[in-house]
Amino acid sequence: DAGVIQSPRHEVTEMGQEVTLRCKPISGHDYLFWYRQTMMRGLELLIYFNNNVPIDDSGMPEDRFSAKMPNASFSTLKIQPSEPRDSAVYFCASTNPSLASLIVEQFFGPGTRLTVL
Amino acid sequence: QQQVKQSPQSLIVQKGGISIINCAYENTAFDYFPWYQQFPGKGPALLIAIRPDVSEKKEGRFTISFNKSAKQFSLHIMDSQPGDSATYFCAASSVGGGADGLTFGKGTHLIIQP
Repeated sequence: DAGVIQSPRHEVTEMGQEVTLRCKPISGHDYLFWYRQTMMRGLELLIYFNNNVPIDDSGMPEDRFSAKMPNASFSTLKIQPSEPRDSAVYFCASTNPSLASLIVEQFFGPGTRLTVL
Repeated sequence: QQQVKQSPQSLIVQKGGISIINCAYENTAFDYFPWYQQFPGKGPALLIAIRPDVSEKKEGRFTISFNKSAKQFSLHIMDSQPGDSATYFCAASSVGGGADGLTFGKGTHLIIQP
């Protein structure tokens, strides 16, 4: 398996523009997570899905952020309009909890580094 | 509100020494405590994890010590090697033990000097 795939790897945009980040989870994983990493705030959970349904979006900073998961193999995180303070590395992760294991590993993608000028 | 506090922020250890990173949590509903390792330009990767029904878990050179009453847990890296140089994050979750979102500490930048 190729692991969690994210695109683009780098995005530079102007303030006010719409930004769409994409994620393809590992096949068979039914949980998908979006995290944001900054120097100041560290790694923060934004939202997560189970079987394509949003379960907890309490970490989404404001209405400018939205996330969708139209099917089991694709998710998007959209920022509209973008602001300089949105500059961060955005990670997507996926997992498939097993009743046979006490350890639940979230597999992270390589991240998208977003710079908003 | 920071629910998982991690220290130190940075750590320098000589090769062969013991690296110790500490975390404390506030939410008593947490029931799963993983440690993630992150190299520059990469996503975090699971290193080792523990549940609160045990006080210690060892995997190779890595050991988690867990103190439920104090709401603290720590990572020990024995015989630290230059390849261990990375950023380490403690984390916690509840409601399904890892199948929900993780609450991360701020991270520890570990440097192992040869």
